[in-house]
Amino acid sequence: EVQLVESGGGLVQPGGSLRLSCAASGFTFSSYEMNWVRQAPGKGLEWVSYISSSGSTIYYADSVKGRFTISRDNAKNSLYLQMNSLRAEDTAVYYCARVAGYVEAAGGLLDYWGQGTLVTVSS
Amino acid sequence: AIRITQSPSSLSASTGDRVTITCRASQGISSYLAWYQQKPGKAPKLLIYAASTLQSGVPSRFSGSGSGTDFTLTISCLQSEDFATYYCQQYYSYPPWTFGPGTKVDIK
Repeated sequence: EVQLVESGGGLVQPGGSLRLSCAASGFTFSSYEMNWVRQAPGKGLEWVSYISSSGSTIYYADSVKGRFTISRDNAKNSLYLQMNSLRAEDTAVYYCARVAGYVEAAGGLLDYWGQGTLVTVSS
Repeated sequence: AIRITQSPSSLSASTGDRVTITCRASQGISSYLAWYQQKPGKAPKLLIYAASTLQSGVPSRFSGSGSGTDFTLTISCLQSEDFATYYCQQYYSYPPWTFGPGTKVDIK
């Protein structure tokens, strides 16, 4: 069974940092592209970042570029999101999500999602 | 970035109703469109990809159609477990991959 479990969320002051983790199981993690997607309270879904299966290709949303860093450790079946210079508008539930590898050229098509971890940026 | 709009933003329906949600892209995206269902406090769930392909395990009362810029999600006979928010998403042009603002389906 595919499982994605996020952790690392919490309350942080504006300008602070936080590192989110996503532990993957039930599939060959190293073969799959991954994404982070966030959802502000009561709002819709916003794509945040993408990483290829090897980690060689990375994309960011303009809203987080230069502040967030996505990475992965295939030996540990884990995905990470390092978030620096956090702002109030970064407050959201952050989901890690797996790309549907069975669909060609679909880096943003997400077939499995974790339960999410809440990040609150407030003083 | 490709902008995605959805209509309506919300709707009220009864069990057994036929429900249709529309999604429009600001430019052509071929059939690179997905639909997700999200229930309160839960992660989104992939329902349909490639505009009309049902994800494994999704009931056949869900269907999708369209190509280019205009797409629809239809629930043929609404069940109690279908009350949720539905998002469409384009995965044609990236980055960024973009989602619609969502359509909330609630009980009449």
